[in-house]
Amino acid sequence: RKEVEQDPGPFNVPEGATVAFNCTYSNSASQSFFWYRQDCRKEPKLLMSVYSSGNEDGRFTAQLNRASQYISLLIRDSKLSDSATYLCVVNRPPLSFGAGTTVTVRA
Amino acid sequence: DAEITQSPRHKITETGRQVTLACHQTWNHNNMFWYRQDLGHGLRLIHYSYGVQDTNKGEVSDGYSVSRSNTEDLPLTLESAASSQTSVYFCASSAEVGGGETQYFGPGTRLLVL
Repeated sequence: RKEVEQDPGPFNVPEGATVAFNCTYSNSASQSFFWYRQDCRKEPKLLMSVYSSGNEDGRFTAQLNRASQYISLLIRDSKLSDSATYLCVVNRPPLSFGAGTTVTVRA
Repeated sequence: DAEITQSPRHKITETGRQVTLACHQTWNHNNMFWYRQDLGHGLRLIHYSYGVQDTNKGEVSDGYSVSRSNTEDLPLTLESAASSQTSVYFCASSAEVGGGETQYFGPGTRLLVL
């Protein structure tokens, strides 16, 4: 079983829509959690950390459920520029990456 | 500006050859990491280092080695390249103890083993 599992998608959504997706992790001792963004096989970049109480960064909302061991990301008012692969990342340590969820926003 | 660079950006080699991929960071980060990325697998950790003279094996370390002689560099060596090592390789660095927080990635090296 993979340590971090994600629905690969793709999620195809129109501009302005809301899209949400989850990932699950297997190691209950994991210490911290993140979402990274990766464009077209370029280098991954940190999108946001994920806190137990949930957190927002502009149009992005991340949630963590430690009891069920899943993490979610919600994107509101989708923009064309949000098209990317979103990587769920769990810190054991070291970091363990999911295979990514692809989101395509269409005009 | 601080940065992390990788060289070469593209490499074609033959099976059995030794190959070294360079990673250089000017962040002065203690922690450095090597990953490979293949379709369907995401990023998999090959080796990592938490400081000079420290190296650790990741989940896919067989056939690879690293050494850390200074803070700035963590070269990755493929001892005898195999076709299964065709992949995109990313180097990353981070500052915090434990290595699990924001990691800054290099642009990647695309390696083709024929």
